Amino acid sequence: GDSVTQMEGPVTLSEEAFLTINCTYTATGYPSLFWYVQYPGEGLQLLLKATKADDKGSNKGFEATYRKETTSFHLEKGSVQVSDSAVYFCAPQTGTYKYIFGTGTRLKVLA
Amino acid sequence: ETGVTQTPRHLVMGMTNKKSLKCEQHLGHNAMYWYKQSAKKPLELMFVYNFKEQTENNSVPSRFSPECPNSSHLFLHLHTLQPEDSALYLCASSQVTSSGELFFGEGSRLTVL
Repeated sequence: GDSVTQMEGPVTLSEEAFLTINCTYTATGYPSLFWYVQYPGEGLQLLLKATKADDKGSNKGFEATYRKETTSFHLEKGSVQVSDSAVYFCAPQTGTYKYIFGTGTRLKVLA
Repeated sequence: ETGVTQTPRHLVMGMTNKKSLKCEQHLGHNAMYWYKQSAKKPLELMFVYNFKEQTENNSVPSRFSPECPNSSHLFLHLHTLQPEDSALYLCASSQVTSSGELFFGEGSRLTVL
């Protein structure tokens, strides 16, 4: 069945460090791909998305590229801030109403 | 402000109580969702409504009863819950397209004693 794999964390980084959170998925066809972020005490909000192969989504300094060959959508940021501390979810959309969420990756950024 | 409002934000109830969670979206979307978020578990889809018609029910126990009176409002009625039902319940909406993003509310934190 459809699935998504990302490390659970926590990932702990110092401020201004480079961030990579890996995401790989298993799905039929070519799903739209999303990264959502959940700040403490809040719901999830869209961070970025890509809808076809080789598309790059970007927002707030975060980037991810839709890699069809490796079925991956890794999230990167060149310089993280304390305010980026949150839980990050990679979510392929595998059907009209179906989005596959994992447990998310918790990021902690230390000043 | 995401355009999706959930009330109450926090709820504590006993196993014999009956309560309801409410969700309202101001985005003109045609699909609404209930998700359950428990610690250390993947986000779990419970119900989906499209234009007030239920399109998904992922084997959710009958002690959870959804209601969608119109495309802007969604309720989750709760009765005789178990302690393991304690979780964050998230409402979301989307405009149904091939790449429609989900817009989430802030969630209702439920504790069952």
